[in-house]
Amino acid sequence: EPEVTQTPSHQVTQMGQEVILRCVPISNHLYFYWYRQILGQKVEFLVSFYNNEISEKSEIFDDQFSVERPDGSNFTLKIRSTKLEDSAMYFCASRDRGLNTEAFFGQGTRLTVV
Amino acid sequence: GESVGLHLPTLSVQEGDNSIINCAYSNSASDYFIWYKQESGKGPQFIIDIRSNMDKRQGQRVTVLLNKTVKHLSLQIAATQPGDSAVYFCAENNYGQNFVFGPGTRLSVLP
Repeated sequence: EPEVTQTPSHQVTQMGQEVILRCVPISNHLYFYWYRQILGQKVEFLVSFYNNEISEKSEIFDDQFSVERPDGSNFTLKIRSTKLEDSAMYFCASRDRGLNTEAFFGQGTRLTVV
Repeated sequence: GESVGLHLPTLSVQEGDNSIINCAYSNSASDYFIWYKQESGKGPQFIIDIRSNMDKRQGQRVTVLLNKTVKHLSLQIAATQPGDSAVYFCAENNYGQNFVFGPGTRLSVLP
């Protein structure tokens, strides 16, 4: 069964450093998402991406964050100048069309900022 | 001390009993809803979905009910099993935009 894969599964970084979280969405999907889940809390939307551009972003997704689809298969989330409060699980998701279809989630990357 | 944000609503049920998990959604314009199951350390996993033109949909052991009048969604799990223990999230979607997740409910199945 096709699945969304994310790497690394766990990333530890020092405060102020930049991290890149990587995702390989399901191959025929068109819509891509990043979500964040702080420990024990709900899943929060960060950004959606369609047709090689951001289609929607939340207020969490400020200038510290950027997304890219560099080669037609990978979908990356870059976090610049990480802060302690960026520590969370980051989930990538994809869906094959916009309406009335589920989003498939990866297993997540646990980011720990120390 | 305890950390803010770790107090998910918890539903404890005996193995074999039926479970009902409730969710209040926020946007009256939402037209598509999903229940996701999240096990510890894993990503959300699709369980069942429902469109706004329906009020009930059944899966293998699960049923989702939608009441648009009061913006309420419920997930019924029949004959709950230990493997059903997880956090369950409802998610709403408005015409293809992003999914907005509810706060989650932890289901604990007692032997």
